[in-house]
Amino acid sequence: GAVVSQHPSWVICKSGTSVKIECRSLDFQATTMFWYRQFPKQSLMLMATSNEGSKATYEQGVEKDKFLINHASLTLSTLTVTSAHPEDSSFYICSAKGGAGANEKLFFGSGTQLSVL
Amino acid sequence: GQSLEQPSEVTAVEGAIVQINCTYQTSGFYGLSWYQQHDGGAPTFLSYNALDGLEETGRFSSFLSRSDSYGYLLLQELQMKDSASYFCALNQAGTALIFGKGTTLSVSS
Repeated sequence: GAVVSQHPSWVICKSGTSVKIECRSLDFQATTMFWYRQFPKQSLMLMATSNEGSKATYEQGVEKDKFLINHASLTLSTLTVTSAHPEDSSFYICSAKGGAGANEKLFFGSGTQLSVL
Repeated sequence: GQSLEQPSEVTAVEGAIVQINCTYQTSGFYGLSWYQQHDGGAPTFLSYNALDGLEETGRFSSFLSRSDSYGYLLLQELQMKDSASYFCALNQAGTALIFGKGTTLSVSS
């Protein structure tokens, strides 16, 4: 099946620094990738839709200048959390669409646990 | 907008059968998916219904009734390893999945 690789799996950083998270589709091309955030014991909340070669579409309430998304190729999307603060500590998960039509489904990366001190 | 409702917690014993219900409100419905997530892990795909009826995959089955905007996930012959969170999610053409709040299943011996 389709594989999505996400790196790093966990990161600890100081407040005010920036963190980059990579999401790669290993065996298929993903023109669209999605970034979710999940706080403990809560659901996955969609942050943004990343489209290859164009600007990302952000969900309401998500600061585009804080969460920079770059989708420069068909197999790589990156999320950069700029000037991270403790409230940004969360589990970040990327996903990519595979299949087509009614068989379309999302394949998830393994997630990145971000802890901001 | 879209919304999904599912119970927050369910408990059961090994070997039992559990049904997790999900009701939804949406426009442009395309399908209903189910995902499993263990603590600290990423969601993994379990099942998908685009049409009314039952889809069976081993011990797990999923049902959909589009007229009732309702679906459920059925887990049979429960095992301890099935303890996890289960999410129903709306598929809409060309967009990301919208997840419910999740149901935490606790299986005891």
